[in-house]
Amino acid sequence: AQTVTQSQPEMSVQEAETVTLSCTYDTSESDYYLFWYKQPPSRQMILVIRQEAYKQQNATENRFSVNFQKAAKSFSLKISDSQLGDAAMYFCAYRSTNAGKSTFGDGTTLTVKP
Amino acid sequence: GAGVSQSPSNKVTEKGKDVELRCDPISGHTALYWYRQSLGQGLEFLIYFQGNSAPDKSGLPSDRFSAERTGGSVSTLTIQRTQQEDSAVYLCASSLMDSSGNTIYFGEGSWLTVV
Repeated sequence: AQTVTQSQPEMSVQEAETVTLSCTYDTSESDYYLFWYKQPPSRQMILVIRQEAYKQQNATENRFSVNFQKAAKSFSLKISDSQLGDAAMYFCAYRSTNAGKSTFGDGTTLTVKP
Repeated sequence: GAGVSQSPSNKVTEKGKDVELRCDPISGHTALYWYRQSLGQGLEFLIYFQGNSAPDKSGLPSDRFSAERTGGSVSTLTIQRTQQEDSAVYLCASSLMDSSGNTIYFGEGSWLTVV
């Protein structure tokens, strides 16, 4: 079974600075998808960025980018120019190409200091 | 609808009572997922539907939990004889089809408190 580990329960960053959230996973599959979701206090999970495992190029979405290291099974999220609205809980998730369920990490709570 | 709609948003129930949680997915989305999130925890998979069938219900924690989906649209998650450990946020999500690359859209959840 796949597992996803987020080793940082809490992180903080100064507004306008850069922060990196860590995620590692375990799988025996060679093809899969990885995701970062944001959950603000409103509780609604929002997709931030996704990475297809067979693509070597790291995904980017505006201020959000990932560092995908397939051999190391590592998938970190970098947030550049942090904004107050980035404060939320961030979840890393794994999804097999067989689809169905996604496996989530326990989350990292990000605080942005003005 | 514009997004995934869940009701009730908050529910307080007495231990031993049954509860029903409803999910109305985005129109046209054939795949529907239920997750449970305990306070400060990650998401725990419960069940997913493709159309009206549930190919994977492996995450249902006990036989007190059941879910159904009718007409390929609305889904109901039922918890019988609720226990205090059932207290959590129950999140529903949907996607256009059950393909791993497809974006999954979440509702705001139903916060269940069992007293």
